[in-house]
Amino acid sequence: DTAVSQTPKYLVTQMGNDKSIKCEQNLGHDTMYWYKQDSKKFLKIMFSYNNKELIINETVPNRFSPKSPDKAHLNLHINSLELGDSAVYFCASSSTRISGRGDEQYFGPGTRLTVT
Amino acid sequence: SQQGEEDPQALSIQEGENATMNCSYKTSINNLQWYRQNSGRGLVHLILIRSNEREKHSGRLRVTLDTSKKSSSLLITASRAADTASYFCATDENYGQNFVFGPGTRLSVLP
Repeated sequence: DTAVSQTPKYLVTQMGNDKSIKCEQNLGHDTMYWYKQDSKKFLKIMFSYNNKELIINETVPNRFSPKSPDKAHLNLHINSLELGDSAVYFCASSSTRISGRGDEQYFGPGTRLTVT
Repeated sequence: SQQGEEDPQALSIQEGENATMNCSYKTSINNLQWYRQNSGRGLVHLILIRSNEREKHSGRLRVTLDTSKKSSSLLITASRAADTASYFCATDENYGQNFVFGPGTRLSVLP
């Protein structure tokens, strides 16, 4: 009964490749997120998305793009991978209140991406 | 810059002792949340405190929020070895326009 799942758990690839990480939530939430956690454990939001709007952290390179086939899925596509993209990527979801976002988020187990 | 800044960065205590972690933030918020991350795992939500609340309890957790000082504290009472983890505060910066995590406090509870 995993609430937020991600695949794959580990991803090792070479520079220049294009890869995708999948995320699915079965909580009925309407907002999903992608976070990047670097080696120092800093967690930075990359995207937040619901069926109405996509909010992009302006520091995220346009090589990263979220794609949402439906409300339960938010996949992360990464083009032309670079060494600095190595990190753990977390997907999360929440139920957006009318007055805004940022309520309790449920996180997936993470995908450790290693670019060689 | 980081919205939520935890203090201390690392904390080591004996089982049974209390652990206090602090968080400071910069902008106006709707709420502040605390999360725990065990090594190699995703984050788990612990507690949410809204901007109009000053204190909240959940089991052995006590969270305070001082909006005038833009700070919060997380107290874990009677700590256990299983509490060993990293603890993050998170705020919805600028009334929910962005969601920002602090760098975390790494707590070690020694048996």
